[in-house]
Amino acid sequence: NAGVTQTPKFQVLKTGQSMTLQCAQDMNHNSMYWYRQDPGMGLRLIYYSASEGTTDKGEVPNGYNVSRLNKREFSLRLESAAPSQTSVYFCASSELVFEAFFGQGTRLTVV
Amino acid sequence: AQTVTQSQPEMSVQEAETVTLSCTYDTSESDYYLFWYKQPPSRQMILVIRQEAYKQQNATENRFSVNFQKAAKSFSLKISDSQLGDAAMYFCACSNQAGTALIFGKGTTLSVSS
Repeated sequence: NAGVTQTPKFQVLKTGQSMTLQCAQDMNHNSMYWYRQDPGMGLRLIYYSASEGTTDKGEVPNGYNVSRLNKREFSLRLESAAPSQTSVYFCASSELVFEAFFGQGTRLTVV
Repeated sequence: AQTVTQSQPEMSVQEAETVTLSCTYDTSESDYYLFWYKQPPSRQMILVIRQEAYKQQNATENRFSVNFQKAAKSFSLKISDSQLGDAAMYFCACSNQAGTALIFGKGTTLSVSS
């Protein structure tokens, strides 16, 4: 039972490059989320999707776009990476907010 | 904006002792969920305990228990008989006002010494 799978686990980008972080869950959850974790800041919500076909902004959406491709998959895209986007990114899924299950995280460095 | 505050950036405890991590939150909802997550050095986020706000009884999970004070908007985590494996970052979280996502505190780093 894989749970929530994120790819890649590590990535180094140059400023201005684009990339997509992939996330898939196999628990048939309706809700999916993208968070970023920075030292001393906890986890901050970037975007979430309460159901297939819907997405909403969280606390820190600027510089990101998301796609809820289907019920299983929720991707996060950085169109033009900036050093301020250096962070650890977590995808999560849940059935409503009863319990969020997290992926292993992606450590992204923008140089 | 909804907030979750963890006022202790770092805490330490000795093996077999008890430690309490503090958390306060701000919400205008009457029904919501509260969580404590553990993040060991592996970076994996692990659910420790969950509390439904409409339940007055404090949640417990083996050595982990909470002190939920709804009127004070306080949700502390007590770890009894601390073990070396309890060393981690602990995050308090609350469901947001739309009930669609979790809002996290900044975390408390717990160290455990033998």
